[in-house]
Amino acid sequence: ELKVEQNPLFLSMQEGKNYTIYCNYSTTSDRLYWYRQDPGKSLESLFVLLSNGAVKQEGRLMASLDTKARLSTLHITAAVHDLSATYFCAVDNWINQFYFGTGTSLTVIP
Amino acid sequence: DAGVTQSPTHLIKTRGQQVTLRCSPISGHKSVSWYQQVLGQGPQFIFQYYEKEERGRGNFPDRFSARQFPNYSSELNVNALLLGDSALYLCASSPGRDTQYFGPGTRLTVL
Repeated sequence: ELKVEQNPLFLSMQEGKNYTIYCNYSTTSDRLYWYRQDPGKSLESLFVLLSNGAVKQEGRLMASLDTKARLSTLHITAAVHDLSATYFCAVDNWINQFYFGTGTSLTVIP
Repeated sequence: DAGVTQSPTHLIKTRGQQVTLRCSPISGHKSVSWYQQVLGQGPQFIFQYYEKEERGRGNFPDRFSARQFPNYSSELNVNALLLGDSALYLCASSPGRDTQYFGPGTRLTVL
């Protein structure tokens, strides 16, 4: 079974700082997704990464994919309070069945 | 366009009972997947249906079953409920092999 690990599990960062969330997965895949979840809410799609070397950016978030290393990163630039949420990566097992990481709970403090 | 809808929003059951959760996908989406999210964890894949056929099943016991109807809506059934079945059940739809769009979820509490 495909295993997906994220680190860190918990991240407390000051406004204005930069940080990176890491997502490692156990078997080959060509697609990786990042989602955001606010407390008590469902999952909101952030990025889909479709190939090795793919990089996507939206506002203060940038995601990248290295399929050879089986690694994706979500980089946060100059964090603001609105980014506080739980972030999940999800790997497609080639047939559109998603396997999610453990999640990273991000808290941005003033 | 309407997003994925799920009903009911919340549900409280007792051990041993049976429950049915419902999902309506985004119009035009033929694939529906179900996930279980236990508090503090990531969603776990339960089932996937595409064009009314089961395409995949996660590591869940036979107490869990699902089906997809001709209009692509779907139901998830759980029999003989256990305390450990308490979770947020998420439905997601997609047009094919693509981003999955999640509904608001059904929060099931088993007492």
